[in-house]
Amino acid sequence: GDSVTQMEGPVTLSEEAFLTINCTYTATGYPSLFWYVQYPGEGLQLLLKATKADDKGSNKGFEATYRKETTSFHLEKGSVQVSDSAVYFCALKDTGRRALTFGSGTRLQVQP
Amino acid sequence: KAGVTQTPRYLIKTRGQQVTLSCSPISGHRSVSWYQQTPGQGLQFLFEYFSETQRNKGNFPGRFSGRQFSNSRSEMNVSTLELGDSALYLCASSLGSNDLNTEAFFGQGTRLTVV
Repeated sequence: GDSVTQMEGPVTLSEEAFLTINCTYTATGYPSLFWYVQYPGEGLQLLLKATKADDKGSNKGFEATYRKETTSFHLEKGSVQVSDSAVYFCALKDTGRRALTFGSGTRLQVQP
Repeated sequence: KAGVTQTPRYLIKTRGQQVTLSCSPISGHRSVSWYQQTPGQGLQFLFEYFSETQRNKGNFPGRFSGRQFSNSRSEMNVSTLELGDSALYLCASSLGSNDLNTEAFFGQGTRLTVV
């Protein structure tokens, strides 16, 4: 079956540091890949997505590249801000399926 | 354009009771999915409705059920509540096509506490 594995958190960084959150996946088809962000007390917001191999999704300074050869979709940001503190979820939507499969989430804490 | 609206935001129920949660999707969206979020199990898919029909179902007991109305609004019901049903229940709406590119938009969730 489908699965998503994310690095354990929390990840604690100082403001302006470089961020990487690792995500690898297993899928039976050719999935689309997503990163969602959840702020305290809120639902999920779509951060970025990629629908085929070598696609790069980007939004608000965050980037992730769909790497089929390594089945990965790592999230990166060059300079984090305190306002980026949240939980980040990697997810996939596989061929022929309508449900999203989520990773366990990675909590990011950015200190001033 | 209004987002996905879930009501109520918070609920406290007693074991054995039943509960109904409501979700109003984005205007024009015909698919509504429900997810359960807990610290232990993470985000798990409950079911998906499209045009008043359940199209997909996750691995949850029959105590969890749902329905969708002709205006695409959806409700989910949990009967005979257990302590382990305490969770954040999230609703997501999408256009409903089978396109992998179709985005899902989430509501703020309903926080259910079973005591």
